[in-house]
Amino acid sequence: VQLVESGGGLVQPGKSLKLSCSASGFTFSSYGMHWIRQAPGKGLDWVAYISSSSGTVYADAVKGRFTISRDNAKNTLYLQLNSLKSEDTAIYYCARGVMDAWGQGASVTVSS
Amino acid sequence: DIQLTQSPASLSASPDEIVTITCQASQDIGSSLLWYQQKPGKSPQLLIYSATILADGVPSRFSGSRSGTQYSLKISRLQVEDIGTYYCLQVSSSPLTFGSGTKLEIK
Repeated sequence: VQLVESGGGLVQPGKSLKLSCSASGFTFSSYGMHWIRQAPGKGLDWVAYISSSSGTVYADAVKGRFTISRDNAKNTLYLQLNSLKSEDTAIYYCARGVMDAWGQGASVTVSS
Repeated sequence: DIQLTQSPASLSASPDEIVTITCQASQDIGSSLLWYQQKPGKSPQLLIYSATILADGVPSRFSGSRSGTQYSLKISRLQVEDIGTYYCLQVSSSPLTFGSGTKLEIK
């Protein structure tokens, strides 16, 4: 099982960014997937979940601003981050639905 | 939302000591609890799932237990490589919630 995030970077407040998570080593379409984030020096916070049938759930802190999606043909999970705030600065991890495998993380910094 | 109260926030122990970390859930979550170890600059690694089941490849000195809504992670003989921060996670209901973490250092 391998999960590789990409798309992180430095972005200004109010702008957008799209993260990707490329999956391999398992049948991606059969699993729900999560995004989890970790602010610098802080603990872990769950962000969003998408089921194998593309049903979605979000944390209150990101509801209406972030969108989780998936492309099973490309074995890829996405997180669209809109209206970014400084408090969204974090390492963003993708994880397989049963939370047994995590990627290495993508760094997002929101700053002017 | 389900709260997980994790303790202690930090601890320092000597090699071969027994270490116990606890998570108290604010309501019944059954066995829907996982434990992770995170080393600096790395992603969390699964240690225990379903409260008591050791994940593949995890040394047998790690174990998990449950008593009602209190969950414990025990390291039976602490090794130097066990340094890091440990987190519990409940997957019983959305939103998923993590404990605040326990930073483990070696004396």
